[in-house]
Order: sequence, then C-alpha cells, then structure tokens
Amino acid sequence: AQSVAQPEDQVNVAEGNPLTVKCTYSVSGNPYLFWYVQYPNRGLQFLLKYITGDNLVKGSYGFEAEFNKSQTSFHLKKPSALVSDSALYFCAVRDTNAGSGAGSYQLTFGKGTKLSVLP
Amino acid sequence: DTGVSQNPRHKITKRGQNVTFRCDPISEHNRLYWYRQTLGQGPEFLTYFQNEAQLEKSRLLSDRFSAERPKGSFSTLEIQRTEQGDSAMYLCASSAVLPAGDTQYFGPGTRLTVL
Repeated sequence: AQSVAQPEDQVNVAEGNPLTVKCTYSVSGNPYLFWYVQYPNRGLQFLLKYITGDNLVKGSYGFEAEFNKSQTSFHLKKPSALVSDSALYFCAVRDTNAGSGAGSYQLTFGKGTKLSVLP
Repeated sequence: DTGVSQNPRHKITKRGQNVTFRCDPISEHNRLYWYRQTLGQGPEFLTYFQNEAQLEKSRLLSDRFSAERPKGSFSTLEIQRTEQGDSAMYLCASSAVLPAGDTQYFGPGTRLTVL
C-alpha cells in the first residue's frame, strides 16, 4: 500500500520570505512524486513531479521540490513567496511498478496543506 | 489543448435519485481517472480506464457507482440511489501513455450535493 503524509494542515509565511511545504511518502517500490495546487472551488493544477534523476525538481511559478530517498520526503519550496501563492497544496505518490501487476496507476494524495502568504 | 472538462459543474439532488456526470479528457490522452474529494481531504481514487477498458476499481466504488468510457473518449460516472454520504467533489483526470511517470491533468470537478 502507498501513503502520503503532509504533517502541517496550515503554513503561514510573509510575502517575500521562503516557503516550505512538507511531504513524506511510503511506497513499496520506487516512487513517482507529484505536487498539485488547488484554488477554491477549482480542480487540481499540476506543479511539478519527480520521476528519476536529479533530486531537485523545478516546476511552475518558481516552485521546486527536493526528493530525499533516505528520508522518504519530497518537500515543496519557493525562495520568495507571493500573496497569490495562497492556496491548498497536495503531495501525491504513485508506485513505479504500475502496469507490471505489482502496482497501480492511481495517485495517492496527502490531506493537503493550506498555504497562507501574508502581505 | 483545451484541458479536461467536466459537466455539470454543480449538481444538487435528493436522496435516492440517480445522477450522471460527464468527463471529456484532453484529446489523445489514453488514460482517464475518476477521484472523489470530500471537504478537508485529498482526492481519493475511484477508477481508471485505459482507452475503453476499465482496468482498476477502488473498493470505494460501491455497487451503486458505475463508470463507462465508450469508444475510449469521454467518460461518464453514474451514481444510483444517491445517499447523503455521496456529497463530494468528483474529479476527473487524464494522462497520456508515457514510458515513465505520466502526469495526470485534472478537470474543474463536479460538486455533488445530496439533500
């Protein structure tokens, strides 16, 4: 079984300061990891993903995330937060074994972290 | 690329009624997924299609739920004899078949309220 934990329900940060949204995961094989953002009453918008290779992944709107295999973490970061970054952020995991009979194509999501960037 | 579209965006129904939602994936995306999201939770997987074949179903998908994807294009999700516990946002996503790590792109969702 695969799972994702987002230990913080809410993160508050001042505009212009760096932000970090934490995510840890559990998966039987190797992971594909994703970050999505959700604005009120909207669907999920893809930010970035880790597949393989460089542990630091860069995505949309200046966001990046660092994959740490030993700590099973995939924290989302941004050097300078904007008020418009305020939203709900979801981390998701998928097993790389999908399609081989040993894994699933489904994404498993965390409960989400509400990011508030204060002006 | 017009994105994933879902209709209707909102649906209010009375308990016991049947409802049907439609999802139109990004054109040429072979894979289509349905998720359900309740307040304060992340999306939970319901079912997955590759082309017209339904390949995975979650245990969350009770006998009252049925999904189809005729001809491998749009998909419908039907809920029969709705219950108040079915109230949620129903999200559809699609992805292209890639050698590794295809990205699922989500639609705006259909918010169901069962009275």
